Amino acid sequence: DAGVIQSPRHEVTEMGQEVTLRCKPISGHDYLFWYRQTMMRGLELLIYFNNNVPIDDSGMPEDRFSAKMPNASFSTLKIQPSEPRDSAVYFCASSRDGGRYEQYFGPGTRLTVT
Amino acid sequence: DQQVKQNSPSLSVQEGRISILNCDYTNSMFDYFLWYKKYPAEGPTFLISISSIKDKNEDGRFTVFLNKSAKHLSLHIVPSQPGDSAVYFCAASDDRGFKTIFGAGTRLFVKA
Repeated sequence: DAGVIQSPRHEVTEMGQEVTLRCKPISGHDYLFWYRQTMMRGLELLIYFNNNVPIDDSGMPEDRFSAKMPNASFSTLKIQPSEPRDSAVYFCASSRDGGRYEQYFGPGTRLTVT
Repeated sequence: DQQVKQNSPSLSVQEGRISILNCDYTNSMFDYFLWYKKYPAEGPTFLISISSIKDKNEDGRFTVFLNKSAKHLSLHIVPSQPGDSAVYFCAASDDRGFKTIFGAGTRLFVKA
């Protein structure tokens, strides 16, 4: 299996622009998680899906952030409009058994907003 | 409010010695704990876990100890190797189990 796939690996954009991050989970995994890693706050859970349905989005920082999972093999995290403080590494992870046990992470997308 | 805390941002250890990474948690409902390892430019990968019904779990050079009364767990790596140099994340979940809370991570440097 190819593992969790994320694209792009790097994104540099200007403040105010829309940014879309993409994720393909491991086939057969019913749970998908979006995390953000920053120096100050470490690894934060933004939102997670179960069977393509958003279950908990309490970690989404504000309305500028939105996430969708139109089918079992694809999810997007969108930031509109982007701000410099959104600069971070964004990880997608998937699992079979919820968040409790092992999650499989993608390589991450490093976002820089100038 | 950080429910999972890794108070040491970094740790430096000589090759062959023991590395001890610490983690504290505040939520008494947490009953399952995991450690992940992360290399630069890669996502975190699962390393070892422990359930609250145990106080120790061992896997090769890696051992996790859990002290429930102190709400503290630690990861021991013996002997440490240069390839162990990475960021280590402590994580915890409760019995609802649908999401895991991560600490901020500790960067381990193992010097040859």
